[in-house]
Amino acid sequence: AQTVTQSQPEMSVQEAETVTLSCTYDTSESDYYLFWYKQPPSRQMILVIRQEAYKQQNATENRFSVNFQKAAKSFSLKISDSQLGDAAMYFCAYRSERDDKIIFGKGTRLHILP
Amino acid sequence: GAGVSQSPSNKVTEKGKDVELRCDPISGHTALYWYRQSLGQGLEFLIYFQGNSAPDKSGLPSDRFSAERTGGSVSTLTIQRTQQEDSAVYLCASSPTYYSYNEQFFGPGTRLTVL
Repeated sequence: AQTVTQSQPEMSVQEAETVTLSCTYDTSESDYYLFWYKQPPSRQMILVIRQEAYKQQNATENRFSVNFQKAAKSFSLKISDSQLGDAAMYFCAYRSERDDKIIFGKGTRLHILP
Repeated sequence: GAGVSQSPSNKVTEKGKDVELRCDPISGHTALYWYRQSLGQGLEFLIYFQGNSAPDKSGLPSDRFSAERTGGSVSTLTIQRTQQEDSAVYLCASSPTYYSYNEQFFGPGTRLTVL
């Protein structure tokens, strides 16, 4: 069965600095999708960034980028120029091409220090 | 445009009572998902609908849990004979179609507390 592991329950970063959140996953499949979702205190889950496993190029969305290492089954999220509004829980998620389910990690709580 | 809405936002109930949680997806979205988020945990997949059909119900934690979707729109998650371990935030999400690359749009969730 697929699993998603986020080894950092909490992290802190100074405003305007860069932070990297780790995610590893386990799968025997070759085709799948990976996601990072943000959940602020409002509980509203928001998609941050998405990566297709067949693409070698790392996805980027403004200040957010990923380091996708397929062989290592690693999918880290880098946030550049951290802002106070980035404070939230961040969830890494895996979705197979063949399965309905999306597997979420347990999340990393990110604190932004002013 | 309106996003995914869920009601109620908070529900407190006594152990043994039945509860119904409602999800209104974004208009036109054919896929609808239910998740459970327990304190300090990630999201646990419960069930998925494509239209009114639920191809996979294996994520439902027990036979006390059931869900239905009518008219390809509103979905209801019902928990019978609630237990304290059912206390969690229940999140609903919808997407335009089922395809794996599609973004899921989440509602604000229903916080269920079972006393």
